[in-house]
Amino acid sequence: GQQLNQSPQSMFIQEGEDVSMNCTSSSIFNTWLWYKQDPGEGPVLLIALYKAGELTSNGRLTAQFGITRKDSFLNISASIPSDVGIYFCATPRDGTASKLTFGTGTRLQVTL
Amino acid sequence: DTAVSQTPKYLVTQMGNDKSIKCEQNLGHDTMYWYKQDSKKFLKIMFSYNNKELIINETVPNRFSPKSPDKAHLNLHINSLELGDSAVYFCASSHLGGEQFFGPGTRLTVL
Repeated sequence: GQQLNQSPQSMFIQEGEDVSMNCTSSSIFNTWLWYKQDPGEGPVLLIALYKAGELTSNGRLTAQFGITRKDSFLNISASIPSDVGIYFCATPRDGTASKLTFGTGTRLQVTL
Repeated sequence: DTAVSQTPKYLVTQMGNDKSIKCEQNLGHDTMYWYKQDSKKFLKIMFSYNNKELIINETVPNRFSPKSPDKAHLNLHINSLELGDSAVYFCASSHLGGEQFFGPGTRLTVL
């Protein structure tokens, strides 16, 4: 089945640093979603991408839909302690927007 | 004023027991979901209901039975609990095909 691999698996950074993570697949997709899961909470949608090459920002977060349509990238600038959590990419499966496949996740830790 | 709520937050039970998790959403959505997140944080869809009708049913043991009494509720009943059922179960809701809003999760521990 389709699998979304995220890299890195975990990151330990200092407050103020920029962060980059990516999500790759062997399949082509028309939609890429980025979610964040705070500790003890459910995932929350951060950014949705619908077009190859698209670059979309949400505050300090910027996500890009890869040109090949097989990958996506998420950058966080000037990280702060509340950025701590697990970041997931997700794509609709089988052409059904309701059936999401989630990536393996990138765990972010921010130290002061 | 919580959008998607689940009860209980924590559930600890013995193998072989039957238990239920309840989910309610007040967003006016017509589609609800159950996801399972394992100890490695892999998040996988289990079921989805649209207007009380089952539309997604992944490869999940028959011991798991969702029930949607109305559009705002989707409950998950689990029979004969096994050790491998230990996980965090998330409910979510959306308009059909729209952004999914997740509940806070129910951490199930089977002893």
